[in-house]
Amino acid sequence: SQQGEEDPQALSIQEGENATMNCSYKTSINNLQWYRQNSGRGLVHLILIRSNEREKHSGRLRVTLDTSKKSSSLLITASRAADTASYFCATNFGNEKLTFGTGTRLTIIP
Amino acid sequence: DVKVTQSSRYLVKRTGEKVFLECVQDMDHENMFWYRQDPGLGLRLIYFSYDVKMKEKGDIPEGYSVSREKKERFSLILESASTNQTSMYLCASSLARPPYEQYFGPGTRLTVT
Repeated sequence: SQQGEEDPQALSIQEGENATMNCSYKTSINNLQWYRQNSGRGLVHLILIRSNEREKHSGRLRVTLDTSKKSSSLLITASRAADTASYFCATNFGNEKLTFGTGTRLTIIP
Repeated sequence: DVKVTQSSRYLVKRTGEKVFLECVQDMDHENMFWYRQDPGLGLRLIYFSYDVKMKEKGDIPEGYSVSREKKERFSLILESASTNQTSMYLCASSLARPPYEQYFGPGTRLTVT
């Protein structure tokens, strides 16, 4: 069963704008991870935030985590055409497994 | 860099055939995973392995089996392929310690006719 649910399911923005996508989950987590998937390819790890962290940055990516609301957001600033992809959140409960959401499909319009 | 490879990018098989999907990782990772990905359903875990010859069922193991004879290789087996197993299959690996970040292969798109 899915633990994470991303919102929105699809998002189209102009190149240069910021993109924000959200992830909600149901139970307590050890960490939350974001992955990117280009069309028809495997997933690539983007960023990880631990349950005791509130915000994390990596290049143009900013992730926030609100454990009281059981939600996370991924912000991509100054979007580029190459950011067009599907983005997935994945929750970890401290064991080997990750539980993935259904993803947000991001389209950057040149 | 971690590299996870899968034996085929595209595969077409007939109903009832036995199908082998192979996955190899080159970073000495203990954990390996098989997922299937379908539109609107995200990634669903089929099986995973945390050591050689060890396996654990995931969320949707029915119709599948796995084999891990060597640490770097994890095989997914469809004993008798059916049309509802048409899907994208993704293999991943991770270290056996937190935070369990996973590294994925490019995927195999399997069509069963």
